[in-house]
Amino acid sequence: AQSVTQLGSHVSVSEGALVLLRCNYSSSVPPYLFWYVQYPNQGLQLLLKYTSAATLVKGINGFEAEFKKSETSFHLTKPSAHMSDAAEYFCAVSGNTGKLIFGQGTTLQVKP
Amino acid sequence: DAGVTQSPTHLIKTRGQHVTLRCSPISGHKSVSWYQQVLGQGPQFIFQYYEKEERGRGNFPDRFSARQFPNYSSELNVNALLLGDSALYLCASSSGASRVGGEKLFFGSGTQLSVL
Repeated sequence: AQSVTQLGSHVSVSEGALVLLRCNYSSSVPPYLFWYVQYPNQGLQLLLKYTSAATLVKGINGFEAEFKKSETSFHLTKPSAHMSDAAEYFCAVSGNTGKLIFGQGTTLQVKP
Repeated sequence: DAGVTQSPTHLIKTRGQHVTLRCSPISGHKSVSWYQQVLGQGPQFIFQYYEKEERGRGNFPDRFSARQFPNYSSELNVNALLLGDSALYLCASSSGASRVGGEKLFFGSGTQLSVL
């Protein structure tokens, strides 16, 4: 069985500050891990994907995530927040099927 | 190149009615998946189809059904609508080449279904 827990339903940062969105996973098989972003009234856009090739994964728009097996975590970071980063972020896990299991989501607010 | 396209974008139905949602995958993609996203929650997996065959089904009642056509487009059907079916329905496409997971899914903008 697989599951994802996103810690913090709302995160607020100032423009230029570090962004840290937390994700912990549970998986009975080696996981594939994803971060997606959803802007209002839109579908989901893939930010990055972990497939075991490297523990530090770089994605689009300056985001990156680090896979830590010992902590079962896959936290998303960005060194400097931009106003355009305000959106809903979803962590997701898949195993040996094409099905994605999503977390509840974290709303990122960026204050000027 | 066009991305994943879904129609209609918005739909209002009443309880007990039937609805059909449509999805066209990215050109060259052979797999289509459907997800339900209730307001304030993450998407939940409903179905996956590959080469017109069902590859996976989520924990949804039999009122939900889907099919995939020879051109890889897909329809999601929901019968006997309930108020709780109100949600954003997302379609995602992928190449479908991997049978062991990990494929990137490309999502459409969704169909917002309101059941009154």
